[in-house]
Amino acid sequence: GENVEQHPSTLSVQEGDSAVIKCTYSDSASNYFPWYKQELGKRPQLIIDIRSNVGEKKDQRIAVTLNKTAKHFSLHITETQPEDSAVYFCAASTGTYKYIFGTGTRLKVLA
Amino acid sequence: EPEVTQTPSHQVTQMGQEVILRCVPISNHLYFYWYRQILGQKVEFLVSFYNNEISEKSEIFDDQFSVERPDGSNFTLKIRSTKLEDSAMYFCASSGQGAGEKLFFGSGTQLSVL
Repeated sequence: GENVEQHPSTLSVQEGDSAVIKCTYSDSASNYFPWYKQELGKRPQLIIDIRSNVGEKKDQRIAVTLNKTAKHFSLHITETQPEDSAVYFCAASTGTYKYIFGTGTRLKVLA
Repeated sequence: EPEVTQTPSHQVTQMGQEVILRCVPISNHLYFYWYRQILGQKVEFLVSFYNNEISEKSEIFDDQFSVERPDGSNFTLKIRSTKLEDSAMYFCASSGQGAGEKLFFGSGTQLSVL
């Protein structure tokens, strides 16, 4: 069935360093890939998304890359700050109403 | 900025009891969803709803679950006879354009079944 794998499950970086989170999806029909940030006890917040007709998208310190052939997509955060500490979820959609989420990455940015 | 709102924020119930979780989606959105998140785990799709009917549902969404849009603003999730394993955070979400579009999540209802 449909599945999204996400790695790593936890990631600690020093403030100012970069963080990379990787996801792999199983359904080759997937065409929409959002990333959500979830702070403790709060709702998931969309931070960036990418569609299958685009290989890379950037928004300030956040970028997402997509490799359709390998069915990989990654989140890149540069110049990390303590407020970037949260759980990050990737997701994939085939254009149906169902979004399949990854298992999450707990990012800790150490000051 | 418009937000999806959910009530209550916390719900404690006894096993076997019925619960209704309520949501007010963003006003001009047409597509509505329920997801759940068991503590420390990933967000899981339950059901999507459009034009007053279910568009898609997961295997989690069995006969104990139902959804309804009773009026022009509310969207509800009913669990008929709660089980211990229904304990989770339930998120309502809405989107403006439907499949493959940005989801906006509510702040969630933490359901605890005792």
